[in-house]
Amino acid sequence: GAVVSQHPSRVICKSGTSVKIECRSLDFQATTMFWYRQFPKQSLMLMATSNEGSKATYEQGVEKDKFLINHASLTLSTLTVTSAHPEDSSFYICSARELAEKLFFGSGTQLSVL
Amino acid sequence: KQEVTQIPAALSVPEGENLVLNCSFTDSAIYNLQWFRQDPGKGLTSLLLIQSSQREQTSGRLNASLDKSSGRSTLYIAASQPGDSATYLCAVRPGQAGTALIFGKGTTLSVSS
Repeated sequence: GAVVSQHPSRVICKSGTSVKIECRSLDFQATTMFWYRQFPKQSLMLMATSNEGSKATYEQGVEKDKFLINHASLTLSTLTVTSAHPEDSSFYICSARELAEKLFFGSGTQLSVL
Repeated sequence: KQEVTQIPAALSVPEGENLVLNCSFTDSAIYNLQWFRQDPGKGLTSLLLIQSSQREQTSGRLNASLDKSSGRSTLYIAASQPGDSATYLCAVRPGQAGTALIFGKGTTLSVSS
């Protein structure tokens, strides 16, 4: 089956630093990628929709200047958390959509900001 | 705005029991509904996907039903095992093409041996 690789799986960083998370579709072209965030005991909440070659569409309440999304190719999307703060600590997970409309998820990234 | 609710939030059962997890959604105009399993700190494992035109799907000990008109889905787990312990997420895909999934908060299941 289709595979979505997400790295890193876990990252610990100091407050004020930036963290980049990569999401790669390994055996299919992903025209659209979705980025979700999950706080403890909460649902996965959609942060943004990323389309290859165009600007990402952010959900209400998500700061686009803080969460930079780049979808430069059909197999790679990156999420950069800029100037991270402890309240950004969360589980981030990406999902990629293939041409047949199926969705596949990465394994997630646990971000801890000290 | 589509909202997905899962009941109960947590469930503890002894091994061998049959159980039902419930999911409800507010807008019946969905493209499909999917059940996932999430282990602590891990990604999602897709269990069953039901298209809007389907009534149910089965995989092994799992059976998921969909009643689109009433906005409900159930996940039935037969003969539960300790290895089934995880959080089960229900997610709907709205009717528009290319849209993201909308998730419920999940039901955390604990099966004791």
